[in-house]
Amino acid sequence: NAGVMQNPRHLVRRRGQEARLRCSPMKGHSHVYWYRQLPEEGLKFMVYLQKENIIDESGMPKERFSAEFPKEGPSILRIQQVVRGDSAAYFCASSPQAGELFFGEGSRLTVL
Amino acid sequence: GQQLNQSPQSMFIQEGEDVSMNCTSSSIFNTWLWYKQDPGEGPVLLIALYKAGELTSNGRLTAQFGITRKDSFLNISASIPSDVGIYFCAGLTNTGNQFYFGTGTSLTVIP
Repeated sequence: NAGVMQNPRHLVRRRGQEARLRCSPMKGHSHVYWYRQLPEEGLKFMVYLQKENIIDESGMPKERFSAEFPKEGPSILRIQQVVRGDSAAYFCASSPQAGELFFGEGSRLTVL
Repeated sequence: GQQLNQSPQSMFIQEGEDVSMNCTSSSIFNTWLWYKQDPGEGPVLLIALYKAGELTSNGRLTAQFGITRKDSFLNISASIPSDVGIYFCAGLTNTGNQFYFGTGTSLTVIP
């Protein structure tokens, strides 16, 4: 059973470009969470999704950030018009139900 | 958001020593998770706790769900060099949709 798959592992963007991060949950998992981690810091919650629904987006910045988890395909975290402060590691986690989180290897975004 | 206080922030120990770290919250949680993260990698789930007072082991690791439901403890016995990493606690409230993470404990094991 493959784990949580995230891609790309590393992404470099210039200021003003768009970043798209993808997450395929573990097989059978219908709950997806996105977290952000700055160097030497803990994980900060961004958004919690189930298939086709955003359940909790209280950790998402109001502008430029969006997330989706369509009926088919991976969950996408989209950051428009990136700024240097968006540079971070973005982790996706999946869960069969609310109980345990299994993390992917992360996508490291660098904004030049 | 909820604040999880994790301590100590860092530890330097000799190989073979036991390690204890804890996580406290001002709110009641109904699930506690403990993770280990290596540099450049994602967090790996070590132990999950679902009931107040629960004591669960995974090899040399033992974790407890505090009776007050506001804290949790992780112990590592007979540490080895591969235990090096950052350990995070995470908690879920009974009304929340998100897991809150602690600030992490950085463990260094000196051979």
